[in-house]
Amino acid sequence: GAGVSQSPSNKVTEKGKDVELRCDPISGHTALYWYRQSLGQGLEFLIYFQGNSAPDKSGLPSDRFSAERTGGSVSTLTIQRTQQEDSAVYLCASSLGGRDYEQYFGPGTRLTVT
Amino acid sequence: EDQVTQSPEALRLQEGESSSLNCSYTVSGLRGLFWYRQDPGKGPEFLFTLYSAGEEKEKERLKATLTKKESFLHITAPKPEDSATYLCAVPGSYNTDKLIFGTGTRLQVFP
Repeated sequence: GAGVSQSPSNKVTEKGKDVELRCDPISGHTALYWYRQSLGQGLEFLIYFQGNSAPDKSGLPSDRFSAERTGGSVSTLTIQRTQQEDSAVYLCASSLGGRDYEQYFGPGTRLTVT
Repeated sequence: EDQVTQSPEALRLQEGESSSLNCSYTVSGLRGLFWYRQDPGKGPEFLFTLYSAGEEKEKERLKATLTKKESFLHITAPKPEDSATYLCAVPGSYNTDKLIFGTGTRLQVFP
């Protein structure tokens, strides 16, 4: 079946602009995660959605970052007033549930802020 | 503080030369340890989940083991196609579902 898809695959934007990154999880997966991976760094947790529960936003680095998940499926990560330090690969993952289930990752969106 | 440390950072092996990658973790009450493989330009690919000390899992040339403080990923007679970055991760403490990832071991296998 189809895996996790993300769009766009690459995004170049100017400092100060807003960007939206999209994630389509695997059908039937109730949990959805966003991570950020910077060069030479490990995956950094950003936000987690599980079913209809309130999202765990504890990893969002600033209030410029927000995410929503509509209808329990597609998710959008929005970064407002982008800064150069926001440049990274943004990865989305989905799973059947919480921590007991393996996460399946999308190919990521490479964001470059110039 | 929850922490995952992987070593070595990079490993170069000749084809057929077996070795092990290490993942040590500090977390309150381990509730699973995950191994992933990541190829350049791609998202991580799930390999194994280990839940309790003494548990082992195998897949082709890879075997993962778990103790109370660390996990090993053993690679037996590796091939060039095993070249990738290998990541390990654990769920954070305090009943959270988010994963804490290590920075990975970049493995290169030469023919």
